[in-house]
Amino acid sequence: EVQLVESGGGLVKPGGSLRLSCAASGFTFSSYSMNWVRQAPGKGLEWVSSISSSSSYIYYADSVKGRFTISRDNAKNSLYLQMNSLRAEDTAVYYCARDRKLYDYVWGSYRIFDYWGQGTLVTVSS
Amino acid sequence: SSELTQDPAVSVALGQTVRITCQGDSLRSYYASWYQQKPGQAPVLVIYGKNNRPSGIPDRFSGSSSGNTASLTITGAQAEDEADYYCNSRDSSGNHLRVFGGGTKLTVL
Repeated sequence: EVQLVESGGGLVKPGGSLRLSCAASGFTFSSYSMNWVRQAPGKGLEWVSSISSSSSYIYYADSVKGRFTISRDNAKNSLYLQMNSLRAEDTAVYYCARDRKLYDYVWGSYRIFDYWGQGTLVTVSS
Repeated sequence: SSELTQDPAVSVALGQTVRITCQGDSLRSYYASWYQQKPGQAPVLVIYGKNNRPSGIPDRFSGSSSGNTASLTITGAQAEDEADYYCNSRDSSGNHLRVFGGGTKLTVL
């Protein structure tokens, strides 16, 4: 059974830092790209960042670029998100989500988020 | 602002059919995937690709696409289908960024 368990959330002051972790089990972690997706209270989902299986390709949403760093440790089956210079608008539940790459004869490759963790809450407030 | 546009709210009578739409330029070239989220829970994938359902998703859920619009259809909506639904795809610039629609709150009457 695929399991993704996030941890590391909490209360932090504006300008502060926090490191989130996502422990993966039930699948070959090193074979999959992974993502962070967040959801502010009462708001919709926002994709934050993705990292390829070997960490060769990393992408960020414009809203976090230069402040957040995604990384992974395949030996520990873990995904991380280092969040610096935190702002009030970063307050959200942060989910890790497994990335699955699929192929279609019409449109070629496409990606989906096929498994999600339960999320960890980050609150940025003074 | 989102590059994928969804109606904020839709309602359907119990047992009837409802279509939830998602519009965006990227949908002319990339498939949308659809996620169901119930209060206090993580999102769950319900439809992906041309019209594929993960294991465990009822066959009353289906997907389609035309031009810049992707649609999620629930045929014979049940009370347990009341939830928020989000579409997702790549952004229109093609630079590997992903984008969600703003979400549609489905109410089953």
